[in-house]
Amino acid sequence: GEDVEQSLFLSVREGDSSVINCTYTDSSSTYLYWYKQEPGAGLQLLTYIFSNMDMKQDQRLTVLLNKKDKHLSLRIADTQTGDSAIYFCAESGGGGSQGNLIFGKGTKLSVKP
Amino acid sequence: GAGVSQSPSNKVTEKGKDVELRCDPISGHTALYWYRQSLGQGLEFLIYFQGNSAPDKSGLPSDRFSAERTGGSVSTLTIQRTQQEDSAVYLCASSLGGSGSGSRETQYFGPGTRLLVL
Repeated sequence: GEDVEQSLFLSVREGDSSVINCTYTDSSSTYLYWYKQEPGAGLQLLTYIFSNMDMKQDQRLTVLLNKKDKHLSLRIADTQTGDSAIYFCAESGGGGSQGNLIFGKGTKLSVKP
Repeated sequence: GAGVSQSPSNKVTEKGKDVELRCDPISGHTALYWYRQSLGQGLEFLIYFQGNSAPDKSGLPSDRFSAERTGGSVSTLTIQRTQQEDSAVYLCASSLGGSGSGSRETQYFGPGTRLLVL
């Protein structure tokens, strides 16, 4: 079945780059997403990438997609303490799951001053 | 403009009671989704409404769970005879709906309702 995997924790120092990795299984996914969740809050859309792209950049965020390996990454440049949150990778459900997103369990990013 | 809103923000109930959770999607969004986030887990899809089509209920965990969407806008998720394992954050999302572009499919989430069943 469809599955999205992420490492659970990442710790970096303020000013460093953070790279959060994700693997997915559904090759028919049209879009792949990154969401951010701060404590006690809902999910905030950070960015998304269309499956026929291999890179997308948006200010401090860079998304890389390796469709062959079904690998997605989110790079945050010059990481700040305000970036501390849980980051979720999600794929759009293809096949028999039209509409809903399939989420990973989230990567908790801790930024140390 | 206003985002997705949900109410109540927190709900504490006793085992066996029924609860109703409400979601107001972004105006003009035809697609609406319910997800559940349990402690330490990712988001679990529950149900999806698209326009006037029959909802996709494939994610509902049991027949105690139901949802409706009135007038193509507000949605209510009802959990009957709540159990302790129903304790979770229930998140609602909406999107423009339809396919063919990321902007139409992109889902925007509400703040969630934190449900605690004692």
